[in-house]
Amino acid sequence: GNSVTQMEGPVTLSEEAFLTINCTYTATGYPSLFWYVQYPGEGLQLLLKATKADDKGSNKGFEATYRKETTSFHLEKGSVQVSDSAVYFCALITSGGSYIPTFGRGTSLIVHP
Amino acid sequence: EAGVAQSPRYKIIEKRQSVAFWCNPISGHATLYWYQQILGQGPKLLIQFQNNGVVDDSQLPKDRFSAERLKGVDSTLKIQPAKLEDSAVYLCASSFGRQETQYFGPGTRLLVL
Repeated sequence: GNSVTQMEGPVTLSEEAFLTINCTYTATGYPSLFWYVQYPGEGLQLLLKATKADDKGSNKGFEATYRKETTSFHLEKGSVQVSDSAVYFCALITSGGSYIPTFGRGTSLIVHP
Repeated sequence: EAGVAQSPRYKIIEKRQSVAFWCNPISGHATLYWYQQILGQGPKLLIQFQNNGVVDDSQLPKDRFSAERLKGVDSTLKIQPAKLEDSAVYLCASSFGRQETQYFGPGTRLLVL
């Protein structure tokens, strides 16, 4: 079956540090890839997405590149802020008729001033 | 644009009781999802509707869980009878199409005692 593996959290950083959250996947078909974010007390919301190999999704200073050869979609940000503290979920939706969404466990990010 | 609405926000019941959750998706969204999110884990898809038809319910415990989407709009998810392990947050999401961005509601937090 399909699966998404994220690095364990929490990830604790100081403000302005560089962020990487690793995400790898296994999937049948050709999936679309997503990063969702859940801020404290709020629901999940889309952060960015990519729908084909080598596409780069970006939003709010975050970026992730769809790497088909390594089946990865790592999330990066050059300089994190305290307001980025949240839980980040990597997800995929397969194509080819099934369109089943699969989420990773989530990675908690804590940014200190 | 109004977001995905869910009610109730919180529910506490005893095991073997029944409970129902309601979801109103974003207007015009054909695809509706119900997820179960256990503490510390990512959302797990329970059931997916396309308009008022079920397109996937492979992970729905059908001996106790049921869901319907009347007229292709609102949806209800029911648990009867509840077990302790059903304690979780139940998320509803909707999207314009099956491989599109999902928009999540705030969730219903269920505690089974």
